[in-house]
Amino acid sequence: GAGVSQTPSNKVTEKGKYVELRCDPISGHTALYWYRQSLGQGPEFLIYFQGTGAADDSGLPNDRFFAVRPEGSVSTLKIQRTERGDSAVYLCASSKGGQGGSPLHFGNGTRLTVT
Amino acid sequence: QKEVEQNSGPLSVPEGAIASLNCTYSDRVSQSFFWYRQYSGKSPELIMSIYSNGDKEDGRFTAQLNKASQYVSLLIRDSQPSDSATYLCAATQRNDYKLSFGAGTTVTVRA
Repeated sequence: GAGVSQTPSNKVTEKGKYVELRCDPISGHTALYWYRQSLGQGPEFLIYFQGTGAADDSGLPNDRFFAVRPEGSVSTLKIQRTERGDSAVYLCASSKGGQGGSPLHFGNGTRLTVT
Repeated sequence: QKEVEQNSGPLSVPEGAIASLNCTYSDRVSQSFFWYRQYSGKSPELIMSIYSNGDKEDGRFTAQLNKASQYVSLLIRDSQPSDSATYLCAATQRNDYKLSFGAGTTVTVRA
């Protein structure tokens, strides 16, 4: 079946602009995660959804970052007033149950570059 | 202290040799542990999961978990050039849904 799909694959934006990153999880996966990965680092947790609700948004760096999952499937990560430090690969992952026994399946990521 | 730490690498091994990767974690109640492989420019791909103490083998890969020492390792036997990648160790935290990742160890297999 189809894997996790993320669009766009690359996004270049100017400092101060608003961007939206989209994630379409594996069908039937109730848990959805957003991670951010900088060069030479492991993925860093941003937010976790179980169904439609954000069960844990403790990893969002500040209030410029926001994510939604209105129908419990597709999710959008929104970044306002982008800064150069936001440049990274944004990874979305989904899993069946959201508990430790359910491995995460990652999408190919969106590479965000803020100029 | 980081939640998950890996030996920094890079690790270079000749083809056919064993590559040994190590990882320690700080949360004593972590329950689930994973090894992901990440090729350059690609997303992480799950290669092994381990939940109980001891060894778990899957083809050329063996994961080892020691919860008392808070240590998990990955052995790659008969290393192949296609194994050249960054290997990420991950552990769930107390809440059991959030994965924390190490920084990764880059492995290069020399033909």
